Amino acid sequence: GAVVSQHPSRVICKSGTSVKIECRSLDFQATTMFWYRQFPKKSLMLMATSNEGSKATYEQGVEKDKFLINHASLTLSTLTVTSAHPEDSSFYICSADGRPPDTQYFGPGTRLTVL
Amino acid sequence: KQEVTQIPAALSVPEGENLVLNCSFTDSAIYNLQWFRQDPGKGLTSLLLIQSSQREQTSGRLNASLDKSSGRSTLYIAASQPGDSATYLCAGIYNQGGKLIFGQGTELSVKP
Repeated sequence: GAVVSQHPSRVICKSGTSVKIECRSLDFQATTMFWYRQFPKKSLMLMATSNEGSKATYEQGVEKDKFLINHASLTLSTLTVTSAHPEDSSFYICSADGRPPDTQYFGPGTRLTVL
Repeated sequence: KQEVTQIPAALSVPEGENLVLNCSFTDSAIYNLQWFRQDPGKGLTSLLLIQSSQREQTSGRLNASLDKSSGRSTLYIAASQPGDSATYLCAGIYNQGGKLIFGQGTELSVKP
């Protein structure tokens, strides 16, 4: 149980295009999902907290107009990187808040490469 | 500022050795602490979660301890195997519903 999927697993796009990444909780409902970014050999940096039915809460320094988050249902949150540039290339990981409370289950990650 | 630190950044051991990974945190009022494993290019797998009222948790060859007074957690791996090679991350939550604060990770390599 408590499986989280991400789609796509990797994406390569041209500079200036927008990319959407999906995060799904497959066998449980998640009121709260989290989006992280990870640079090579570095730890995870929380970008935003996504709450079903309300606006996401962004961490300091994260551009909300650049990284659009939508939590449309209790099993799906999406992250859209708008007008992507090479510096947005990174590994993006989502997690979903499950049971017991304050236990996050992580997706497999999405490798974004912007050319 | 609430921070989580892991030392060393990398560790290489021969197969069969017992080893300890260290995690320290700046605020002793931690709510819970988790240890994760991350394989290259993959997501995170939760290994152990220790609530603030607990001192340790065990799963198979893994044992995690939590000492709030000293601001330290350790992950003990017994009889290490090459399949244990991965990056191990610790992360703490400081209040119910709060965000996970990650350490930088320790990259473990177990040599056959």
